Amino acid sequence: AQSVAQPEDQVNVAEGNPLTVKCTYSVSGNPYLFWYVQYPNRGLQFLLKYITGDNLVKGSYGFEAEFNKSQTSFHLKKPSALVSDSALYFCAAMAGSARQLTFGSGTQLTVLP
Amino acid sequence: EADIYQTPRYLVIGTGKKITLECSQTMGHDKMYWYQQDPGMELHLIHYSYGVNSTEKGDLSSESTVSRIRTEHFPLTLESARPSHTSQYLCASSEYGRTNEKLFFGSGTQLSVL
Repeated sequence: AQSVAQPEDQVNVAEGNPLTVKCTYSVSGNPYLFWYVQYPNRGLQFLLKYITGDNLVKGSYGFEAEFNKSQTSFHLKKPSALVSDSALYFCAAMAGSARQLTFGSGTQLTVLP
Repeated sequence: EADIYQTPRYLVIGTGKKITLECSQTMGHDKMYWYQQDPGMELHLIHYSYGVNSTEKGDLSSESTVSRIRTEHFPLTLESARPSHTSQYLCASSEYGRTNEKLFFGSGTQLSVL
């Protein structure tokens, strides 16, 4: 069975500081990994994905994520946080043989001015 | 901006009522999904479809049903709503192809059953 863990319900960071939102996964075989963001009263939006290749994936709005196979992690990062980055972030994973994504429980990111 | 629409945005109804949550997309996507989301909790897949006349149950057991008569339309129906059905329901679609699982989500329907 697939599973995704986001160990932090809430992450607070000051504007201009780097941010990290953590994600670990458990899937059989090679994983496909994703990050989605949900702004208030909006649907989920795709940020980035890792399928294969370079372990550092760059996505929308200056976000990037690092795939670490030995630690089964896919942490979301941004070098300099903006207040407008405040939102709910979801990590998702699927095995190559699976048919559907499994989502984590989400992490609320708050960037303080 | 994704072209996937859900109506209504908010719905408050009494127990025992039949309701249909609408979801439409104009992107021509074959794959469509319904997720259920409670506050602070992960999304749970309740139904999905790979195309017209294709419907499957997801990971979370649900008393709802879905239909896919047209590519662009994927309504979800509760025959008899109960307070336990109170939740947010998110519809999504994606392009065909395993490595292109970029999901487009609607804004959701917040359902409250009294």
